[in-house]
This record gives sequence, structure tokens and C-alpha cells, in this order.
Amino acid sequence: KQEVTQIPAALSVPEGENLVLNCSFTDSAIYNLQWFRQDPGKGLTSLLLIQSSQREQTSGRLNASLDKSSGRSTLYIAASQPGDSATYLCAVKFNYGQNFVFGPGTRLSVLP
Amino acid sequence: GAGVSQSPSNKVTEKGKDVELRCDPISGHTALYWYRQSLGQGLEFLIYFQGNSAPDKSGLPSDRFSAERTGGSVSTLTIQRTQQEDSAVYLCASSSSGQRITDTQYFGPGTRLTVL
Repeated sequence: KQEVTQIPAALSVPEGENLVLNCSFTDSAIYNLQWFRQDPGKGLTSLLLIQSSQREQTSGRLNASLDKSSGRSTLYIAASQPGDSATYLCAVKFNYGQNFVFGPGTRLSVLP
Repeated sequence: GAGVSQSPSNKVTEKGKDVELRCDPISGHTALYWYRQSLGQGLEFLIYFQGNSAPDKSGLPSDRFSAERTGGSVSTLTIQRTQQEDSAVYLCASSSSGQRITDTQYFGPGTRLTVL
């Protein structure tokens, strides 16, 4: 069964810290992997999309890496800010299947 | 332009009642998805519409769930004889691409359904 897991489930850090969110998936045959941000009462916002042929993608203070062989992706957030507080979701599009499989998310709180 | 909108934002209903949830996709988007997000769970795919093609209903959890998309735009997700386990946030997303494997989905804010 194709599954996506994320650890930790929740994370609280003081402002300014660098942090890493983890995503694991059970099948290395993936098409791409996407990180989303979800704010309460709002929809999901796409942050970074990594194709299976790529190792990492960067956008501002965010860096996402992909290691297909180990079934892992990390989202690195540099110099965290209170505005980064949200739930971060990892979603994987496996080669076999047409839909993204979403992880349960990591709820991040950045304290001022 | 406006993003994906959903209504109502919150719905509380009694067990056994029927509910309808509405999604207005981004104008011109041909693809529309429904997902369900239960507490502590990842998003669960429910149904996919693409243009005039037959929808992919493979994610619907039971025959109490159905969805329509009228005129290739607005979609309604209907849950009949609601059960407490149907309580969740129902998210809609739309996409302009005809390529399901590569499309970028734009999500609405969701409808929080609570079945008492």
C-alpha cells in the first residue's frame, strides 16, 4: 500500500530557529513530491514541487530535498518567523496511481 | 481573479440527514477534485472531474456519497444519511491542466462538516 507519513506531528520553536520537517513514503517509484502549507480556515498553498529526477528545490527561506531510494523528503525552513506557523503537508504522486497521496501533516508553531 | 470558493464554510447536521456541499472552481479550470480531511489524517481523494469525461469516482467511501458538476463549472458533493464518521473538512481543488499527472491544484478553504 502506498503511504506517506510525516514526523513530527507537531513542532513548536522560538522565532529565528532553523527547522526541518520530515516526510517518508513507502514506494520509491514516484513521479513527484509536493509540499503544501495549510492555514486554519484556508485552503492548501503549494510551496515546492520536486520532480523525481530532482534532488532539491529552493524558494526563499524554504528548501526541500528528495531522496527517492530511502523514501524520504525534508522541508528545511531557515530563520523561522511567526508567520510560518501553519500545518505543512507532504504529498506524493506515485508512478502507479493518478492521485496525490497526502501525509497527515506537521503542525508548526513559531513563537515570537 | 477569484480563487476556489466553497460553501458553506461550516455545516452542522444531525445523523441521518442529507447534506450538500458546494464548490466554485476558478473560472476556466477544466479539472475539479474533492478531498476529505479527517482529524489527524491526510487528505483522502474522493472524486475527480475533467471536462466532459466520466468522473473518477474511485475514492468515494460509500454509495451515500455522490457528486455532480454542472456545466463544467460548479460542483456539488452530496452525502446522504450522514453518519458521525463523515465529520471532516471537505476540500475542493481545481486545475487548468488537462494533464492529471502534472497539474497544479488550487485549493478552496474547505467546508467543515460536523455530524452530531
